[in-house]
Amino acid sequence: DTEVTQTPKHLVMGMTNKKSLKCEQHMGHRAMYWYKQKAKKPPELMFVYSYEKLSINESVPSRFSPECPNSSLLNLHLHALQPEDSALYLCASSPRDTHYEQYFGPGTRLTVT
Amino acid sequence: GQQLNQSPQSMFIQEGEDVSMNCTSSSIFNTWLWYKQDPGEGPVLLIALYKAGELTSNGRLTAQFGITRKDSFLNISASIPSDVGIYFCAGLTTDSWGKLQFGAGTQVVVTP
Repeated sequence: DTEVTQTPKHLVMGMTNKKSLKCEQHMGHRAMYWYKQKAKKPPELMFVYSYEKLSINESVPSRFSPECPNSSLLNLHLHALQPEDSALYLCASSPRDTHYEQYFGPGTRLTVT
Repeated sequence: GQQLNQSPQSMFIQEGEDVSMNCTSSSIFNTWLWYKQDPGEGPVLLIALYKAGELTSNGRLTAQFGITRKDSFLNISASIPSDVGIYFCAGLTTDSWGKLQFGAGTQVVVTP
């Protein structure tokens, strides 16, 4: 089983709203990732968590705040987003650590109005 | 930073034809990954390659890790309509700490 789940599937939010994206995996993977993807482009890495600790932040604006409550869960808290933040947000996880293949979730389609 | 050159950018093929795409880099990679993505969905891992020269198959898919460690190719044999989608190559180095380098993608369209 290589399933990564993400909720919600779709999210529409205003620029003053606060919302959260949720990612879950029960494969015992110890590395988890957030990506942002624009249409017809490859995913762009935002954050990497390894053994529940933030190991990479790709200079992401502070309006995006990641959280890893435990080894199975990854959240992305959103606040005061801009319309250009509208995109498909993908979560991924790797077995053992960050040197191995990544399994992606289905994504959350975010629209900022 | 490291760049992966993926080609072709798009291909229009007839059902039953074979498909071939490749990725090249000026840098050495330790892992090559191939993903397929359908519209509005997340990328699905097709094949993972970890050794130079490795040739791996997954059903009608075959991928190889180039001997120089700077390239990889993916072949799809006897294409079917559900092969439609965007195919991405991605590479990892030992010091990338999970930061995948992606190719720009190959859009595959299959006509009956």
